[in-house]
Amino acid sequence: DAKTTQPPSMDCAEGRAANLPCNHSTISGNEYVYWYRQIHSQGPQYIIHGLKNNETNEMASLIITEDRKSSTLILPHATLRDTAVYYCIEGTSYDKVIFGPGTSLSVIP
Amino acid sequence: DVKVTQSSRYLVKRTGEKVFLECVQDMDHENMFWYRQDPGLGLRLIYFSYDVKMKEKGDIPEGYSVSREKKERFSLILESASTNQTSMYLCASSPIDRVYNEQFFGPGTRLTVL
Repeated sequence: DAKTTQPPSMDCAEGRAANLPCNHSTISGNEYVYWYRQIHSQGPQYIIHGLKNNETNEMASLIITEDRKSSTLILPHATLRDTAVYYCIEGTSYDKVIFGPGTSLSVIP
Repeated sequence: DVKVTQSSRYLVKRTGEKVFLECVQDMDHENMFWYRQDPGLGLRLIYFSYDVKMKEKGDIPEGYSVSREKKERFSLILESASTNQTSMYLCASSPIDRVYNEQFFGPGTRLTVL
């Protein structure tokens, strides 16, 4: 079973920031947090990962709390193409990737 | 651009048929994976492989087998297809030297068993 918990669904207005929360209260010191998303009828796509520090790339930002028990994925200016299911996963580089149900994000025009 | 390709996007087979799902990656990745995705159940790992001719069972291997004769190709085999194997099948690959487990997924094969 997935070790993270996420809200099942969220809405976001187009052009606004989408903030997707994730709880990973049992994460251990050598486990990363990583995020994928799955657009309808496509395979999942890797977005970003982090260990302790906040991370940013061309797709998103990842904010990890100091105690590492939760994190937030931020899409700074959501577009309609960001409508997808977003998965938050914890694990080491050698763990099987276990996908939970994720958060279904709907970007509304 | 890195790529994982799957032989078919849609496939319809009859109960009892032997089914081959093919996956090819062009990134020289060591690891390859087969998942199935069903509504309400998320992605579930069927089999994975860390090297040519090596395979490991995932969480739901029953009714499936795999073959990895070449590094770039990983095949999923349904020896005798059944209706409960109707699903979306996803192949993925990842390099062994990454500190994080970034997997690259193919577009998926939607298999219907009648």
